[in-house]
Formats: sequence, structure tokens, C-alpha cells
Amino acid sequence: DQQVKQNSPSLSVQEGRISILNCDYTNSMFDYFLWYKKYPAEGPTFLISISSIKDKNEDGRFTVFLNKSAKHLSLHIVPSQPGDSAVYFCAARTMDSNYQLIWGAGTKLIIKP
Amino acid sequence: SQTIHQWPATLVQPVGSPLSLECTVEGTSNPNLYWYRQAAGRGLQLLFYSVGIGQISSEVPQNLSASRPQDRQFILSSKKLLLSDSGFYLCAWSVRGSALYGYTFGSGTRLTVV
Repeated sequence: DQQVKQNSPSLSVQEGRISILNCDYTNSMFDYFLWYKKYPAEGPTFLISISSIKDKNEDGRFTVFLNKSAKHLSLHIVPSQPGDSAVYFCAARTMDSNYQLIWGAGTKLIIKP
Repeated sequence: SQTIHQWPATLVQPVGSPLSLECTVEGTSNPNLYWYRQAAGRGLQLLFYSVGIGQISSEVPQNLSASRPQDRQFILSSKKLLLSDSGFYLCAWSVRGSALYGYTFGSGTRLTVV
């Protein structure tokens, strides 16, 4: 039972263009969503988050959009840079799970020069 | 500031041998602690989590075990490794009772069982 889904295993984007990573969820009790970035052989690092009471959060080149009615969120990276090449994980939490994070399978983003 | 240490970084072990991976957190008290595994080309799989000393919850039945002998120490063990135990193991911590800022991960251990 996958509560958080990242349906695209990989995504290739030209440097300078916009990267859009998508994430769908099924549990309407999720109250907070987070994006993590992971380089090979390293631990994931926190990137950006959004509360379920908001529909947009922006931090520099990174913007996360939340569409609660569609149970969908997306991460936009503008402009994309070579250092953005990594695996991006979407995660969600609910108080019901003692604040544990439920993780998507990840999307590998490749930025082409 | 809070830091998390995980070791070793790389480990090659024969099938049937024991395993002990250690994780320690500094600069915080009463953290929630987690062990994750990332198999090749796959997402993050939660193996164990702990909300306090001696309290371990297992998410996936397998030949691995975890222990928390001290507040900021989390150990992942196995008595006999299987080939399928190969993967990238990650320790993480979060503020107890809140994942508001998510988890902070260690640098990971690459385990290869041969």
C-alpha cells in the first residue's frame, strides 16, 4: 500500500530549463510534506517543505506546490543547474504515525549541459 | 548544533557473518532514531525506529535487529548476513514528537555481502 507515489523513476532536463518533479498521495490525513535530495553514497538532505494548509512554498530556485483536492504536490526547480542532478524523494507525515515520514520511491533528476 | 555520525562508511562482509552498524547523535536529547535501507535503484525502506532507550519498532520482518542501549546511540545488527542484505544503510534522527523539519540523515554505510 503505497501512500506516497513518485511515478517517474527518472527525469532528464536541459540546464537552465525548469525541472518539475511530481508526487501523489492517498492519505488525506497527511499534514506536512517534504522534499529531500540525495546524491549517490550520501544521506538525503532536506530541501523544502510545505504545510497542508498552504498551496505554495518558495525558497530560492525551489518551489513546492500542493493541490489538496488532487492529492498532488510538485517540486519546481528554476533554473535547473548541473548540481541539481540527484535523486529527489517526496515524503509526507501524519500525526497518526507518530510523526514518521512516509516516503516515495524517488525520482532521479538528470540535468543535461 | 546537532550532528549524526554513522560508521563504517563501507563494509564488505561474507554471507553468514555477523553485522554491527553504529549510529550516534550529538547535540540533542530524546531523539527519534531510524534505520533505513536503500537497495540499488530503489527508494528508502524503513527498517526500525525508536522513540526511546530500549524501545524498538520493526517495520519489516527480516534477519536484522536493532538496539538502542543509550539515548543517542542506535545499533543495527545481524547474526548471519544474507546476500539480500546488501544495500545502502542510513541512520536518521528527528525531534521526538515532531517531524516538522523532517529527518537528519547520517552519511550512510554501503554494505556488500559476498
